[in-house]
Amino acid sequence: KQEVTQIPAALSVPEGENLVLNCSFTDSAIYNLQWFRQDPGKGLTSLLLIQSSQREQTSGRLNASLDKSSGRSTLYIAASQPGDSATYLCAVKVGQAGTALIFGKGTTLSVSS
Amino acid sequence: DTGVSQDPRHKITKRGQNVTFRCDPISEHNRLYWYRQTLGQGPEFLTYFQNEAQLEKSRLLSDRFSAERPKGSFSTLEIQRTEQGDSAMYLCASSLRGDIANTGELFFGEGSRLTVL
Repeated sequence: KQEVTQIPAALSVPEGENLVLNCSFTDSAIYNLQWFRQDPGKGLTSLLLIQSSQREQTSGRLNASLDKSSGRSTLYIAASQPGDSATYLCAVKVGQAGTALIFGKGTTLSVSS
Repeated sequence: DTGVSQDPRHKITKRGQNVTFRCDPISEHNRLYWYRQTLGQGPEFLTYFQNEAQLEKSRLLSDRFSAERPKGSFSTLEIQRTEQGDSAMYLCASSLRGDIANTGELFFGEGSRLTVL
């Protein structure tokens, strides 16, 4: 059974700092991995999607990497801003494109000005 | 706005009542998913439709829960005889089967928050 773990559960940093969020999964046979952002009481916003054949994806100040063999992904946020404060969720899709995502519990990030 | 739309955004009900949530996916998205999220947890998969066919159901979906997507467009999730443990955020997501890269990327709505008193 696929399990997704995110460390740390919470993180507080000063504005401007670069930071890394970690995600690990137990079954390396994934179809893709998706990172989401969730603001309190809101839905999920897709940040980056990495296909199983890819090593990394970048969008603006965000860079996500994937190492399938070790069951790990990292989300790198450069030059953090207070507006980056949110919960970041990692999710993996196992099998085919239509199967459901399995989520970690998330990392809650707080960036102070 | 052409994103995933959910209604109502918040529902407060008394234990034992029935509630229904509606999800309108992104236009032309043929896959639709329901998830449940409780405080401090990641979303948990409930069920998945491709067009009007319900292809997968989690064991979390007890017999008090039923989901439909009768015409392959919008979907409803009904909870009968609600219990306090049903209090959660119910999230809907959609994706497109057969997109160019076949990424299977999911797009979520804002969720429907259920409070059972």
